[in-house]
Amino acid sequence: QVQLQESGPGLVKPSQTLSLTCSVSGASITSGSYYWSWIRQHPEKGLEYIGYIYYNGNTYYNPSLKSLVSISRDTPKNQFSLKLNSVTAADTAIYFCARGAAATTLFDNWGQGTLVTVSS
Amino acid sequence: EIVMTQAPATMSVSPGERATLSCRASQSVSSKLAWYQQKPGQAPRLLIYAASTRATGIPARFSGSGSETEFTLTVSSLQSEDFAVYYCQQYFNWPRTFGRGTKVEIK
Repeated sequence: QVQLQESGPGLVKPSQTLSLTCSVSGASITSGSYYWSWIRQHPEKGLEYIGYIYYNGNTYYNPSLKSLVSISRDTPKNQFSLKLNSVTAADTAIYFCARGAAATTLFDNWGQGTLVTVSS
Repeated sequence: EIVMTQAPATMSVSPGERATLSCRASQSVSSKLAWYQQKPGQAPRLLIYAASTRATGIPARFSGSGSETEFTLTVSSLQSEDFAVYYCQQYFNWPRTFGRGTKVEIK
């Protein structure tokens, strides 16, 4: 059974960098044609797709965030990470990591989510 | 990007009744439309994909229909565990986009 678990600071100061890690068990992030993704949910709002790192290392970022975001991976640890630069209060959200299924990218496995608050 | 619009934002339904939720895409997404259910404190769970195919383990009381720009999720007889927020999501184009959700609450 595939499990994903987010970790990282719950509080980040404005203008700093938000850094989160997703630890994956039950599947390898380097096989299976999966899209290892980050999605966030603003308070009382909907879901926003941030981007993915593909099993082969290719990345995609939502154009609305492209200049500020990067997704990388640590293959020996079977983890992938999110960095979001120059955060503001608008980046306060629950951040989920999720696995996108091959071909469709349907999100069939999610982490529990982690709340990140941007505040001084 | 494709904008997904859901209606209504909230609906009050009695247990055992039918709930019909709508989702509209700003342009055609063919049948590349999924529905997710989210309960408080949990991650979304995939219910329906390809507009009408139930995901593994999803009860038959959940059904989806539609194509192109208009989609519907129907819960035929609401059970207590079905009161939640439901999101539609298109996977026709990048970036993947979600609707703002419909909250189904107990009447």
